[in-house]
Amino acid sequence: QVQLQESGPGLVKPSETLSLTCSVSGDSIGNYYWSWIRQPPGKGLEWIGYINYSGSTNYNPSLKSRVTISVDTSKNQFSLKLSSVTAADTAVYYCARPSYYYDSRGYYIYYFDYWGQGTLVTVSS
Amino acid sequence: DIQMTQSPSSLSASVGDRVTITCRASQSISSYLNWYQQKPGKAPKLLIYAASSLQSGVPSRFSGSGSGTDFTLTISSLQPEDFVIYYCQQSYSTPWTFGQGTKVEIK
Repeated sequence: QVQLQESGPGLVKPSETLSLTCSVSGDSIGNYYWSWIRQPPGKGLEWIGYINYSGSTNYNPSLKSRVTISVDTSKNQFSLKLSSVTAADTAVYYCARPSYYYDSRGYYIYYFDYWGQGTLVTVSS
Repeated sequence: DIQMTQSPSSLSASVGDRVTITCRASQSISSYLNWYQQKPGKAPKLLIYAASSLQSGVPSRFSGSGSGTDFTLTISSLQPEDFVIYYCQQSYSTPWTFGQGTKVEIK
């Protein structure tokens, strides 16, 4: 059974850097892509980006200038850094695994099949 | 970015009702469409992937259909635990985007 667990500070000051880690158990981080998603309180879901085991990344352009996702295969973990945060970055942050379905036309259809429980990060002085 | 629009944003229904939620993409996304259920204070849970494939362990009362720009999630007979929020999500192109959510409430 794959399990993901987010960890990191729950309070970050404006203009500082938000740092979170996702620990993966039940699967090798080398087998899949890994992703971060966030949800402001009472609002919808926003995909932040993904990384694979080799460190190849893809970020949401709306956050790209401030986001870094990295992977530590020795610890089976991946991490999120979001710089220059403001109150608008207050959200529940989820780590998730984008698995894929290989369809009959030869395309990969990605979907999030495993999620962490989420961690609330509040940006406030 | 591909915009995903769900309708309705909320609906009221009774236990046992058949419910349909619609998701429309701003451009064709073939079958690159997934559905999630989110209970209060919990992470989203995958229900349907690739527009119509039921995720393992998900009750058969959930079904998905559609391709191109128009998709539907159908719950054939609402159960008490189904009165929560549902999201669609496209993985046709990055940035992967979600619909704004549909809240299913008890009538």
